Amino acid sequence: EVQLVESGGGLVQPGGSLRLSCAASGFTFSNYWMTWVRQAPGKGLEWVANINLDGSETYYVDSVKGRFTISRDNAKNSLYVQMNSLRAEDTAVYYCANKDRGDWGQGTLVTVSS
Amino acid sequence: QAVVTQEPSLTVSPGGTVTLTCGSSSGAVTSGHYPYWFQQKPGQAPRNLIYEISNKYSWTPTRFSGSLLGGKAALTLSGAQPDDEADYYCLLVYGGVGEVFGGGTKLTVL
Repeated sequence: EVQLVESGGGLVQPGGSLRLSCAASGFTFSNYWMTWVRQAPGKGLEWVANINLDGSETYYVDSVKGRFTISRDNAKNSLYVQMNSLRAEDTAVYYCANKDRGDWGQGTLVTVSS
Repeated sequence: QAVVTQEPSLTVSPGGTVTLTCGSSSGAVTSGHYPYWFQQKPGQAPRNLIYEISNKYSWTPTRFSGSLLGGKAALTLSGAQPDDEADYYCLLVYGGVGEVFGGGTKLTVL
């Protein structure tokens, strides 16, 4: 059974940092690009970042460039996003996804508030 | 980054047919945008429906189909069922830059 399980969400103050993790199982993790997608409360989906098979290529939405860093550890079948300088507008449910296979995690909520 | 546009809301009668569209501010949507379509119901993660214009996943109901129509990506639902009431999102790939979701279409089956 394929599983993507996100963790690391929570409440953080503006300007703070958070690292989200996504543990993958049930498929050959190293064979797929991986994606972070977020959804602010009551809003639509927003693509956040992609990473290629070995982590040598990364792409970001303009609003997080320079603040977020996507990475992966294929030995641990894990995807990460390091989020720095967090802003209120980063408040959202963050989903880990294997877009090509159609696998999604259940999401983890990040709330940026004082 | 480009803006991807979808109809904010549409209504279809049970058993009816409806087409949702997905446009790009940068011009016509082409196969090079690898259009994806997703369905999301309240409180759930998105679910993939269509990839690369018209390809279906094993779980995609046959009543859903994808195409390019008039410079846009299109998702057609033929024979709508109450269970199809959901938000639908398209995603376009902009090579070397990133990807962009449309704002979503809220589909009502009524």
